[in-house]
Amino acid sequence: DIQMTQSPSTLSASVGDRVTITCRASHIINSWLAWYQQKPGKAPKLLISKASKLESGVPSRFSGSGSGTEFTLNISSLQPDDFATYYCQQYNSYLLTFGGGTKVEIK
Amino acid sequence: EVELVESGGTLVQPGRSLRLSCAASGFSFEDYAMHWVRQAPGKGLEWVSGITWNSGNIAYADSVKGRFTISRDNAKNSLYLQMNSLRAEDTALYYCVKGLMGNNINDAFDIWGQGTMVPVSS
Repeated sequence: DIQMTQSPSTLSASVGDRVTITCRASHIINSWLAWYQQKPGKAPKLLISKASKLESGVPSRFSGSGSGTEFTLNISSLQPDDFATYYCQQYNSYLLTFGGGTKVEIK
Repeated sequence: EVELVESGGTLVQPGRSLRLSCAASGFSFEDYAMHWVRQAPGKGLEWVSGITWNSGNIAYADSVKGRFTISRDNAKNSLYLQMNSLRAEDTALYYCVKGLMGNNINDAFDIWGQGTMVPVSS
């Protein structure tokens, strides 16, 4: 199986901060990586697919980059609505796997 | 409106069986691979199983292989998960999810249900 490692596991930030979350794959996954946002008590929401493709309706302050084994999710200016847990997911292999999650907390 | 509604979750004893269902609406169900993803209380997301449009390609996580069976009925726009030999570690919220691009199991997930809770305990 392809293991996905996210860092940090928790991140404390303030409104307006630039935030970067990293996801590393144990094997090359090309650009087959997605990012999700999950708020407490809610289902995850797809933000980015194919490493950098912003889904419809997702604010442009979110961006994704990377290929191969290392990927990043950036939030250019953190907004109150962005405090949530973020997950990466690889879909290069048919055994799909998620990262452990990064909780973005209010500083 | 695109919607996935799960049902069937209930308290079940270890070793017993349970069948989850998912009703899809608002999109052409038969055109997409479908999946189950679970989340244990306070934990992260775990993909459980996926199935292509004609059930020709099915995959399972190692943690459930041999115990769980995914199936679908395109005529009823429905997805199922038969769970046998349940264990305490299967306790989770089970989400029904739709593949993003089409008929590949290797896919991201663009539509999620609200989930159905399955506690496994004696």
